[in-house]
Amino acid sequence: SQTIHQWPATLVQPVGSPLSLECTVEGTSNPNLYWYRQAAGRGLQLLFYSVGIGQISSEVPQNLSASRPQDRQFILSSKKLLLSDSGFYLCAWNRDRGNTIYFGEGSWLTVV
Amino acid sequence: GIQVEQSPPDLILQEGANSTLRCNFSDSVNNLQWFHQNPWGQLINLFYIPSGTKQNGRLSATTVATERYSLLYISSSQTTDSGVYFCAVLYNNNDMRFGAGTRLTVKP
Repeated sequence: SQTIHQWPATLVQPVGSPLSLECTVEGTSNPNLYWYRQAAGRGLQLLFYSVGIGQISSEVPQNLSASRPQDRQFILSSKKLLLSDSGFYLCAWNRDRGNTIYFGEGSWLTVV
Repeated sequence: GIQVEQSPPDLILQEGANSTLRCNFSDSVNNLQWFHQNPWGQLINLFYIPSGTKQNGRLSATTVATERYSLLYISSSQTTDSGVYFCAVLYNNNDMRFGAGTRLTVKP
């Protein structure tokens, strides 16, 4: 069966520090991969998606970047965090963009 | 872009009560999913339901694609049903958009 994991689960970082959140999927190949952010409140905002190694599409301009160095690995990064980057970050995957999407456990980021 | 509206935004129930959550969308969609986000933040798939009706235990969902809405029914609610319920739609075969969610609190 397929599983998705992301880490770290919680992170407290000072303003201006770098960020790296990692997500891996097991049990499938060539998944579509996604990074979402959920700010205070409830809405989920799509940040990045990837349909293959090295292929990244950005939904909104921001202080963050994403990379996909391996087929089942998706990394969310920042060189210098801002206070507004605080939130709950969720990695997700599906087989095709029309199919059921599955989420990881989430990572709570607090920028102080 | 497509608009996805969920109602009500907040719902408080007594344990054992039934409820209906609604998701309206402004354009034709390719699929629709319902999720439950538990108090720890994890998003759990409930239904993949671009049209028709599905049931899973105490939960069921109906999507009427031609009228651009979906309903999630929760019967005999339990405290563990508490959390936020999201619907998400895929449109243009490419873009997925989430509603703002319905926050459900079930009191013992």
